Amino acid sequence: NAGVMQNPRHLVRRRGQEARLRCSPMKGHSHVYWYRQLPEEGLKFMVYLQKENIIDESGMPKERFSAEFPKEGPSILRIQQVVRGDSAAYFCASSTGGEGVLAKNIQYFGAGTRLSVL
Amino acid sequence: DAKTTQPPSMDCAEGRAANLPCNHSTISGNEYVYWYRQIHSQGPQYIIHGLKNNETNEMASLIITEDRKSSTLILPHATLRDTAVYYCIVRVKGLYYKLSFGAGTTVTVRA
Repeated sequence: NAGVMQNPRHLVRRRGQEARLRCSPMKGHSHVYWYRQLPEEGLKFMVYLQKENIIDESGMPKERFSAEFPKEGPSILRIQQVVRGDSAAYFCASSTGGEGVLAKNIQYFGAGTRLSVL
Repeated sequence: DAKTTQPPSMDCAEGRAANLPCNHSTISGNEYVYWYRQIHSQGPQYIIHGLKNNETNEMASLIITEDRKSSTLILPHATLRDTAVYYCIVRVKGLYYKLSFGAGTTVTVRA
């Protein structure tokens, strides 16, 4: 079974360019989560998506960041007009879901995309 | 906004058991405790989870106190490859999907 696949593994962008990070969930998983890890910091939740729906984007910066999970294809995290502060590792996780407080929700993570902004 | 408290670091001898404590005194009655680890900036790896009872799988054991205010992850025979940052996680209250990672415990296994 293939795990969560993220690409590219490393991405270098100049200030002002756009960054597109891709995430293919594990087979059978329809729930995707994005987390960001700034240098020397812990992982921070960014956004939770189900197919064609954004469920919670409370961790996303208000500007320049967007995420989607289309009916077909991978989930995309898009960062427009990147700045040096966007340099970080971006991790995607997926799960089978599980609704409600009582449900366990095991998220399996990909290897991450390391974004460097010059 | 992590709701768990872990020691920042600990050392362990190779081949010995590693016992990693975690305090989660504000955990709600129906919230699971999850353990993940992150090896040298790789993606976090799921280890184990539990609700009330002790749990064991091929990687580790999880001991949860009766009042559920703390737990211990046990790596029975630590190897050098177990060197990692270990995260004890409870979900954000009311948001079952939002894993809140704290600083974790940096475990160094020494030969």
